[in-house]
Parts: sequence; structure tokens; C-alpha cells
Amino acid sequence: NAGVTQTPKFQVLKTGQSMTLQCAQDMNHNSMYWYRQDPGMGLRLIYYSASEGTTDKGEVPNGYNVSRLNKREFSLRLESAAPSQTSVYFCASSEGVVKNEKLFFGSGTQLSVL
Amino acid sequence: EDQVTQSPEALRLQEGESSSLNCSYTVSGLRGLFWYRQDPGKGPEFLFTLYSAGEEKEKERLKATLTKKESFLHITAPKPEDSATYLCAVHLLNSNSGYALNFGKGTSLLVTP
Repeated sequence: NAGVTQTPKFQVLKTGQSMTLQCAQDMNHNSMYWYRQDPGMGLRLIYYSASEGTTDKGEVPNGYNVSRLNKREFSLRLESAAPSQTSVYFCASSEGVVKNEKLFFGSGTQLSVL
Repeated sequence: EDQVTQSPEALRLQEGESSSLNCSYTVSGLRGLFWYRQDPGKGPEFLFTLYSAGEEKEKERLKATLTKKESFLHITAPKPEDSATYLCAVHLLNSNSGYALNFGKGTSLLVTP
């Protein structure tokens, strides 16, 4: 059972470079999310997609864009990477956002911006 | 001001030594409180959801309880494989973003043989 798959697992960027983090889920979930995890900060919501065709900002959206490509896939793009975006990024999915459904997380992408 | 506070930040137990982790929250309009387990290099894994004060849920050596202002994760006779970071999160009734799962910073648990 694949669950939530994220690629790549590791990435090193130079300041100003762009990249896209990919996420796919095979559980037929409606909702998908991007979080970042920093030491001493906990998990913080970047963007989420309640359903296919919709996206909304979370707590820390600046510097990021997202695309809900279809029901399975939700990508996160850094247009011009900054050192402050060095973090571990997690994608998650759930059946929905309304009924408190539990989140299923991917294994994360460790991103370093030099 | 943090809305979700977990304590202690780190806890070291000997195998078989029971203890509790605390999650206190200052938000109003709580829609649910979640506990997750996170192993190094992996994403969080769901453990429990609690919705109302007085509710309890159990899974193996873990038992989660909820009051109006805090939740406890009780670990009974822990084993080394229980070593992990335990995360607490609250689901807010009202949020500028429409939906928000607010995570605490976690408690890092180490169980030694």
C-alpha cells in the first residue's frame, strides 16, 4: 500500500532557483495538504486543497504556489528559493476537511537552500 | 501565543516505567484533538482523535484522554519500540484559512531497555 508518495526525498537548491515538489495519493481522498516542519516550530500548514479544483492558503503561504493537478496529485512550487525555505516538507491527504478526518502523511522531502 | 503546548519537550523512560505526555490548548471552538506519532525521517502517523471532554481512546500501551483544556497521552509499561516523537494537534472551529490543524511542537520520547 503506497498511501501518500512524495518526490524527491532530498533536494539542495541555490538561492533563487525554482523547483516543484510532487505528491500523489492512491486512497481516493478528496483533500490534500502541504506542511513544513522546522526544529522548534512544529508542523505548519502552507496550502491545502479541500477538493479537486480548489486550493487555499494556510498559515505560511508566502513564497509558495500549489497546483491540484487532479484528484490524486498536489504539487508545491518554490519560484525563487530562499534560505528561509530550508525545511522538511510533508504532503498529507484526508477524506475531507469538514468532518475531522485523519491525515495521512508522506515520508517527507528534506530541502536545503544555500 | 502558542495555541497548542506540549510538555515535556523530551522524556526518557526505562522499559516498563509508565508516564504521561501533556497537550494543553488555549483555543475556543475545538472541533477535535489529534495525537500522532512520528519516527525519525518519517511522516507523522495517526494515533487518536478525541472530540469532547471526558472521552478516552486506547491502542495497545497508549491511552489518550481529553478535558476542556488539555489532553494526556498515557503510556503504560512502555517498550523501546515506543520511542518516537508524539505530536498533538487541534482542529479549530474558526480560522482565517477556513481549515486549520494546529500542531504542537511535540514530545520526544526515548524508552531504554
